[in-house]
Amino acid sequence: ILNVEQSPQSLHVQEGDSTNFTCSFPSSNFYALHWYRWETAKSPEALFVMTLNGDEKKKGRISATLNTKEGYSYLYIKGSQPEDSATYLCALERWGGISSGSARQLTFGSGTQLTVLP
Amino acid sequence: DGGITQSPKYLFRKEGQNVTLSCEQNLNHDAMYWYRQDPGQGLRLIYYSQIVNDFQKGDIAEGYSVSREKKESFPLTVTSAQKNPTAFYLCASREQGHYGYTFGSGTRLTVV
Repeated sequence: ILNVEQSPQSLHVQEGDSTNFTCSFPSSNFYALHWYRWETAKSPEALFVMTLNGDEKKKGRISATLNTKEGYSYLYIKGSQPEDSATYLCALERWGGISSGSARQLTFGSGTQLTVLP
Repeated sequence: DGGITQSPKYLFRKEGQNVTLSCEQNLNHDAMYWYRQDPGQGLRLIYYSQIVNDFQKGDIAEGYSVSREKKESFPLTVTSAQKNPTAFYLCASREQGHYGYTFGSGTRLTVV
């Protein structure tokens, strides 16, 4: 079973601080890297899907970068707000191989739990 | 509104009983997935289905069974053979050829 690692596991920041998280993954059979935002008792919400080495995506105060050659992605939040408090998941999408009919599968990291203090 | 419905949110069962978790989607998505989450761990793939009447084992399929008789439904049965069934279960779907996955809000199963 391949490992997708996220760090840190949890983070407390003050409102207005900028912060970033790391997702590292094995780069073989890479198809895409997903970032999700998951609030308690809700469904995970898609933030970004990145497919190309060097991709950078931005949505408001949140942005992400991707390096498929070295196997990492960063998620940045600028000027954190209390409503940004959530668990941020990254997930690696790879080809499943011939035995699975070449199905694509997601492998998740364990998440970074962000708490933004007012 | 289109989406995925998982029911119930909380489920309690006695040890040794089989239990079936429901996952229904009205997005017309072809592929559906079941994940399990344990404290401190990432979501792990149990089973997935790319089309009706076909499904594949994921990383932790032992003690689980699924069916895919209809496109919109992908129920998961947790059997008595599953040694540690207490966990959070999350269902997802995806349209073939697209990147985006849609998730349900999950079912927390407690076996006592």
